[in-house]
Amino acid sequence: GDSVTQMEGPVTLSEEAFLTINCTYTATGYPSLFWYVQYPGEGLQLLLKATKADDKGSNKGFEATYRKETTSFHLEKGSVQVSDSAVYFCALHDYGQNFVFGPGTRLSVLP
Amino acid sequence: DTEVTQTPKHLVMGMTNKKSLKCEQHMGHRAMYWYKQKAKKPPELMFVYSYEKLSINESVPSRFSPECPNSSLLNLHLHALQPEDSALYLCASSQDAPAGGQETQYFGPGTRLLVL
Repeated sequence: GDSVTQMEGPVTLSEEAFLTINCTYTATGYPSLFWYVQYPGEGLQLLLKATKADDKGSNKGFEATYRKETTSFHLEKGSVQVSDSAVYFCALHDYGQNFVFGPGTRLSVLP
Repeated sequence: DTEVTQTPKHLVMGMTNKKSLKCEQHMGHRAMYWYKQKAKKPPELMFVYSYEKLSINESVPSRFSPECPNSSLLNLHLHALQPEDSALYLCASSQDAPAGGQETQYFGPGTRLLVL
């Protein structure tokens, strides 16, 4: 079946550092790809998504590009803030399948 | 508006209690989901309702009983739970059934359940 792999962390960065969280997937079809963010004590919030190859999703300074050739959807942000501290889930949704989530990456940003 | 609401926010119950979790969305979505999330883990799918009918039950114990009274509401009835059922219970919705692919899920804030 489909699967999502991502670095589990924790990832610890200083404020204003560059962030990359790697995500790779395996899928039988042509899935949509997502990043969700979960702040402490809260539910999952959709951060960004991409539905076809070479699409770039972006929101709140975060970006990720759908790379079909490398089956990847890495999350990047140029300058992180303390308020970005959260758990980030990469996910996919493929035809005929349930949603599939990666294990999550815990990010801590220090002032 | 992409809001999914859940009540209560927190719930403490004994193993002999009966309680219900509620979820509501007004986005006109036709699929609604219950997930269970343990600490430091991704959400685990429990149930999916499509067009108010139960379409997926991921082998969930019968002490969890879902109900979809209408297209905007989703309940999860709890009875005789065990301490290991303590978790964050998340509701989500999507425009259409997941089988068609290319859907986006929107999550509620969750109900944090503690079973004593």
